[in-house]
Amino acid sequence: AQSVAQPEDQVNVAEGNPLTVKCTYSVSGNPYLFWYVQYPNRGLQFLLKYITGDNLVKGSYGFEAEFNKSQTSFHLKKPSALVSDSALYFCAVRDRGGTASKLTFGTGTRLQVTL
Amino acid sequence: DGGITQSPKYLFRKEGQNVTLSCEQNLNHDAMYWYRQDPGQGLRLIYYSQIVNDFQKGDIAEGYSVSREKKESFPLTVTSAQKNPTAFYLCASSIDRYWTEAFFGQGTRLTVV
Repeated sequence: AQSVAQPEDQVNVAEGNPLTVKCTYSVSGNPYLFWYVQYPNRGLQFLLKYITGDNLVKGSYGFEAEFNKSQTSFHLKKPSALVSDSALYFCAVRDRGGTASKLTFGTGTRLQVTL
Repeated sequence: DGGITQSPKYLFRKEGQNVTLSCEQNLNHDAMYWYRQDPGQGLRLIYYSQIVNDFQKGDIAEGYSVSREKKESFPLTVTSAQKNPTAFYLCASSIDRYWTEAFFGQGTRLTVV
């Protein structure tokens, strides 16, 4: 069964500092990996995804993520955090080889950016 | 939110009642999904549908039912058999089963009173 783990419930960072939100995955084949962001009482917004190719994926709002197959990780990064980045972040995985189309989500990491 | 609409935004239900959550999309997406969100548990899949008149159970389908009579619509009924229905419910649609292009609705917060 496919799964993702987000080991940190919350990440705190000062505005202007780099941020990293961690994600590790487990799938039987090659993965599709996604990052989504959620603001309070709202739906999820797509940030970026990895399908194949370059291990560094660039996404919306200045975010990027690095796919590391040997460490089965897909950490979300941003060089300089903004207060407006404060939100709940979800990592998700779809098993590319599977017939089911479901996306499996992690438990989420709350990012708090302070002045 | 890319043309996918959930209604209502807030819903209150008495114990023992069934209630139906609406999800409509105008994106011509084939696949639609229902997820439940609880604090600290992330999103869990309830049901999904890849084509009209077909749907599959997700990880937590007990106490829920769905229909897919039209491509645009994928309503979710929370039945009285659902033991703990209070949660935030999210609907999503994707252009295909690979989530090549997908959007989420704004969500419906269901509270049992």
